[in-house]
Amino acid sequence: DIVMTQSPDSLPVSLGERATINCKSSQSVLYSSNNKNYLAWYQQKPGQPPKLLIYWASTRESGVPDRFSGSGSGTDFTLTISSLQAEDVAVYYCQQYYSTLYTFGQGTKLEIK
Amino acid sequence: QVQLQESGPGLVKPSQTLSLTCTVSGGSISSGTYYWSWIRQPAGKGLEWIGRMYTNGSTNYNPSLKSRVTISVDTSKNQFSLKLSSVTAADTAIYYCARSYYYGSGSMSWFDPWGQGTLVTVSS
Repeated sequence: DIVMTQSPDSLPVSLGERATINCKSSQSVLYSSNNKNYLAWYQQKPGQPPKLLIYWASTRESGVPDRFSGSGSGTDFTLTISSLQAEDVAVYYCQQYYSTLYTFGQGTKLEIK
Repeated sequence: QVQLQESGPGLVKPSQTLSLTCTVSGGSISSGTYYWSWIRQPAGKGLEWIGRMYTNGSTNYNPSLKSRVTISVDTSKNQFSLKLSSVTAADTAIYYCARSYYYGSGSMSWFDPWGQGTLVTVSS
């Protein structure tokens, strides 16, 4: 299995400030034949299903605000929210789709400081 | 736009079989462009992928659950289903159905959209 480890588990950030969530995979999720990282990010608010934010590690899903961005390659990835808004309070998950056995990170709870 | 909706019993007794259905609306489950997956989330915990199926009936399962899981499709109803046998309290979770892209055998992609989820409790 590819183990996905996120840090931190909880992240307090002031409104308007930058939030950075990290995700590390136990093996590379970069597919050499197409040079794509098989990594997605989701946002989950209480009582709701996860919502896709980012795929291919850095491609923003249509309709997702541009304050959300993804970066990284190989085994180390980052989700950045450039200026935290109140509606961004949620749990964020990374997910690898490099392996047939899809796996998710444990989640990072983003809250207002 | 495509929407997914889970349905099924909210309470299952230990050792019995959990059965859920995902109804797809706004698009055909037979389009051939997508995989259809089940994912679960115990209360307050993370996400675990259970398995997926393609419209030709081919399936992939999480090895940790493979011996107990069956995913099948009913194209006439635009639905796909999950059966999980010999359940225990550890199977209590919110169960989601979700779609991912198919672009060739063994292809992998992200999940979008997801159903709203349905809570299944295993208890006597």
